[in-house]
Amino acid sequence: GQNIDQPTEMTATEGAIVQINCTYQTSGFNGLFWYQQHAGEAPTFLSYNVLDGLEEKGRFSSFLSRSKGYSYLLLKELQMKDSASYLCAVRDKEAAGNKLTFGGGTRVLVKP
Amino acid sequence: GAGVSQSPRYKVAKRGQDVALRCDPISGHVSLFWYQQALGQGPEFLTYFQNEAQLDKSGLPSDRFFAERPEGSVSTLKIQRTQQEDSAVYLCASSLDPYQPQHFGDGTRLSIL
Repeated sequence: GQNIDQPTEMTATEGAIVQINCTYQTSGFNGLFWYQQHAGEAPTFLSYNVLDGLEEKGRFSSFLSRSKGYSYLLLKELQMKDSASYLCAVRDKEAAGNKLTFGGGTRVLVKP
Repeated sequence: GAGVSQSPRYKVAKRGQDVALRCDPISGHVSLFWYQQALGQGPEFLTYFQNEAQLDKSGLPSDRFFAERPEGSVSTLKIQRTQQEDSAVYLCASSLDPYQPQHFGDGTRLSIL
């Protein structure tokens, strides 16, 4: 089975940096995904880590440590439009289709 | 279309009624997933199709839930004899294959009165 934990809510100021942590316990790890979800909209893919280390994509970076069961999503130069829920999801290689198991999501509120 | 399309966008039904939710995946995507998302929570897996074959239905909450993808493209999630606890957003996602990122539709928000 899978168990994924991430903080429920975070608040940050426009232009600042926010780091969203995610810890997981899994029986068959095959990659970790971060999705962004604005209220009432579809989750949109942000990043994917399968090996240890940092993946950078513009203002967003994601880090993975498989030995620690830990990942974080770093959002730099925050903009108001970054206010959304951020979902950490682990892919299970022991399941057909490599299904995703999601954490509860971290609601980020960006203030002016 | 370019993305995953779901219909209806909103559905209100009375307890005990049957509902059908439709998903049009991205053209050519082999893998199709259904998730259920309660308010303020992350999506929870319901079922998975590879083409027309339903390979995993371990997340379906009860035998009132049924999904199909008869021609390996459009999928329908059917809920029979709906109950209030079925109220949620139902998300569909597709991917080119099991190893590619999943692309989600906007979901169907189901409210059972």
